[in-house]
Amino acid sequence: AQTIHQWPVAEIKAVGSPLSLGCTIKGKSSPNLYWYWQATGGTLQQLFYSITVGQVESVVQLNLSASRPKDDQFILSTEKLLLSHSGFYLCAWSRDRSYEQYFGPGTRLTVL
Amino acid sequence: GDSVTQTEGPVTVSESESLIINCTYSATSIAYPNLFWYVRYPGEGLQLLLKVITAGQKGSSRGFEATYNKETTSFHLQKASVQESDSAVYYCALGDPAGNTGKLIFGLGTTLQVQP
Repeated sequence: AQTIHQWPVAEIKAVGSPLSLGCTIKGKSSPNLYWYWQATGGTLQQLFYSITVGQVESVVQLNLSASRPKDDQFILSTEKLLLSHSGFYLCAWSRDRSYEQYFGPGTRLTVL
Repeated sequence: GDSVTQTEGPVTVSESESLIINCTYSATSIAYPNLFWYVRYPGEGLQLLLKVITAGQKGSSRGFEATYNKETTSFHLQKASVQESDSAVYYCALGDPAGNTGKLIFGLGTTLQVQP
């Protein structure tokens, strides 16, 4: 069975500080990977997607970046956090872009 | 554009009552949209509840049902008799199986509270 793990569970960070969020998928080779973000009271928005190692495409510009250093790992980062980055970040995987997506437990980010 | 609108919550029902959470979509740029219901139970991650990829078909899971109605662009979630354990946040979502990004477009979510 496939499992998806996100870290950390929650973060409280200062404006202007760097950020790194991680996601690991086990039990599935070459998954499609996605990052989603949900602001408080908002809907889930896709930020990035990746279909293979080393390749990441941006969907929404939020002064964030993403990388896929390994087949099973997806990293979301920024060098300078903004207040508007607060929210809930979800990583997801799918077998293919046309298939359903499975989500991780998420990371709650609070920027002060 | 493409969007999803669903019942604004919270929705409160008593145990054993019937439930319907409305979902309508706009898929102006998607030829053959796929439709999904996801659920987040308290303290848990977002889980796929059911999906339907063909217009006119019905999906079902855990006693919930939803029918993909292309004419009314709707995908309402129904259950005949809810249980307290159904208390959760429900999200309707729209996907483009032919798209490049695999993006899912979500509604705002509907919080369901089932009273014992």
